[in-house]
Amino acid sequence: EDKVVQSPLSLVVHEGDTVTLNCSYEVTNFRSLLWYKQEKKAPTFLFMLTSSGIEKKSGRLSSILDKKELFSILNITATQTGDSAVYLCAVGSGNMLTFGGGTRLMVKP
Amino acid sequence: DGGITQSPKYLFRKEGQNVTLSCEQNLNHDAMYWYRQDPGQGLRLIYYSQIVNDFQKGDIAEGYSVSREKKESFPLTVTSAQKNPTAFYLCASTITGGTSSSYNEQFFGPGTRLTVL
Repeated sequence: EDKVVQSPLSLVVHEGDTVTLNCSYEVTNFRSLLWYKQEKKAPTFLFMLTSSGIEKKSGRLSSILDKKELFSILNITATQTGDSAVYLCAVGSGNMLTFGGGTRLMVKP
Repeated sequence: DGGITQSPKYLFRKEGQNVTLSCEQNLNHDAMYWYRQDPGQGLRLIYYSQIVNDFQKGDIAEGYSVSREKKESFPLTVTSAQKNPTAFYLCASTITGGTSSSYNEQFFGPGTRLTVL
């Protein structure tokens, strides 16, 4: 059975801090790993990673995949209150996505 | 504007009733998915469809039913057999196939929050 585990479950930081969110997985037929941000409604796409060791970056957010150790991290630098959300990791296997339980991030002013 | 719409946004159901959640997309996507999300948890797959007139059960299909008569539409019925239907329901779609070996990202609708009274 495919499995995706995210840690920590929740995190509270202050504006300006840097955070690292973790995602580990065990799936058959790995195709890609995706990160989504979910505020109150639909998850919005952040990154798709398919190759090990290549960092993807978008503003203050960055992510990297390690296919040997089967994990990915999502970094957020200089956090802002608008970064408060649930961050979901999903792994694509075949035509399906398996989601982790999410990390709830709260950024305090 | 291309996108996925879900309706209604909020739905209240009495015990023993069947209810149908709507999902429509105008992105010309082949595959559509229904997920359930419970508080503090990730998304669990209920049903998915990769082509019109065909659909497959996901991890938690019991108590739910779907149809895919048109490419644009993938309604989900929550039946009275679903023991604990109160949850947030998300519909998603994606293109299948293509030249890339990577999995295509799924685009999500805004969700329907179902509450059983």
